[in-house]
Amino acid sequence: KNQVEQSPQSLIILEGKNCTLQCNYTVSPFSNLRWYKQDTGRGPVSLTIMTFSENTKSNGRYTATLDADTKQSSLHITASQLSDSASYICVVSARSGYSTLTFGKGTMLLVSP
Amino acid sequence: GAVVSQHPSWVICKSGTSVKIECRSLDFQATTMFWYRQFPKQSLMLMATSNEGSKATYEQGVEKDKFLINHASLTLSTLTVTSAHPEDSSFYICSARDRDRVANYGYTFGSGTRLTVV
Repeated sequence: KNQVEQSPQSLIILEGKNCTLQCNYTVSPFSNLRWYKQDTGRGPVSLTIMTFSENTKSNGRYTATLDADTKQSSLHITASQLSDSASYICVVSARSGYSTLTFGKGTMLLVSP
Repeated sequence: GAVVSQHPSWVICKSGTSVKIECRSLDFQATTMFWYRQFPKQSLMLMATSNEGSKATYEQGVEKDKFLINHASLTLSTLTVTSAHPEDSSFYICSARDRDRVANYGYTFGSGTRLTVV
């Protein structure tokens, strides 16, 4: 069964600090992995998309890594800002079809002043 | 960039009435749109997949007669919650797949609709 597990479930950090969110998956055959940011009451917004051959991808203060061998990904946020407070969702796509997206439950990040 | 507009952003309706939610791709053509439901502190759950001009494919456990989906054009899909009940209260999100960005795995989500049935 395809699964995506995220950790931690929630996280509180001080403004300006860095943090790393984890995503482990068992989706097969793997196609790509996406990180989304979802503000409360809003739809998810894409941060990064990585395919099998990509190890690292950055988008401003967000840097995602992918280890396809261990089936792990991380999202690193540097110099956090209050506006980074949101849920971060890891989504893995199986190669068998565009509709086979497996969503993680998300990590709720709160950046405190 | 690709933009998906979802309307309304929130709606309150009485039990037994129907509610229509619209999902529009503003600057691209979406051959496929997806409808999700999200409960508090839970991940998105796929309800159905709709392809332009054909019937939607519903996930197991989703009542097709209760959640009517219409994808009449390449830029518009609608979800109608019929005879709504309080247990239908949830956050509904659509996403659209860009026909011309298939190779780049293009998916864009709408901003969601908060439905409250009283």
